[in-house]
Amino acid sequence: QKEVEQDPGPLSVPEGAIVSLNCTYSNSAFQYFMWYRQYSRKGPELLMYTYSSGNKEDGRFTAQVDKSSKYISLFIRDSQPSDSATYLCALESGAGSYQLTFGKGTKLSVIP
Amino acid sequence: DTGVSQNPRHKITKRGQNVTFRCDPISEHNRLYWYRQTLGQGPEFLTYFQNEAQLEKSRLLSDRFSAERPKGSFSTLEIQRTEQGDSAMYLCASSFGTATYEQYFGPGTRLTVT
Repeated sequence: QKEVEQDPGPLSVPEGAIVSLNCTYSNSAFQYFMWYRQYSRKGPELLMYTYSSGNKEDGRFTAQVDKSSKYISLFIRDSQPSDSATYLCALESGAGSYQLTFGKGTKLSVIP
Repeated sequence: DTGVSQNPRHKITKRGQNVTFRCDPISEHNRLYWYRQTLGQGPEFLTYFQNEAQLEKSRLLSDRFSAERPKGSFSTLEIQRTEQGDSAMYLCASSFGTATYEQYFGPGTRLTVT
């Protein structure tokens, strides 16, 4: 079992839809949870980070963490064609190892 | 602040040749990371520097790979005797202070080994 599981999609939604992206993880040592957006042939762009269970909101984006279930989500409200990209979850244990462990990424297409 | 920069953006090389990539982190970011990303996968950690000290290496970093960060500024990643399996996007990221989870990535160097 990989440390971080993420459905690669692809996921296709109409413009304006609410998008739900998810990751599960197996190692309870992970303490920090990040979401990155990556456009084709570009580097990942940090969208949000959180370190506690619960919700964190930033504009149209909401990150949700459930440490008891080892489940993290990113919700995108009022999705736009410009949101079409690959979304990667990334986790860090923060316990002296500073490497990020990434999911495979979910490819999202928002159709006008 | 212009973000993390990487050069070259693309590199095509023949099997057996050596290649070197450069990363310039965000100014004042004391931590620098190298990752490798293959098609359809998330980035995989290679190595990490705090200032000029290389503090962490992945088992993916075979003895053909070497990384340096002289004077704690820019960093170079060298691959010796390249193999076709080295074809990937090589990503550099940097972070500031104790916010190691807040890593900012550069555009990457895409390596193709023929």
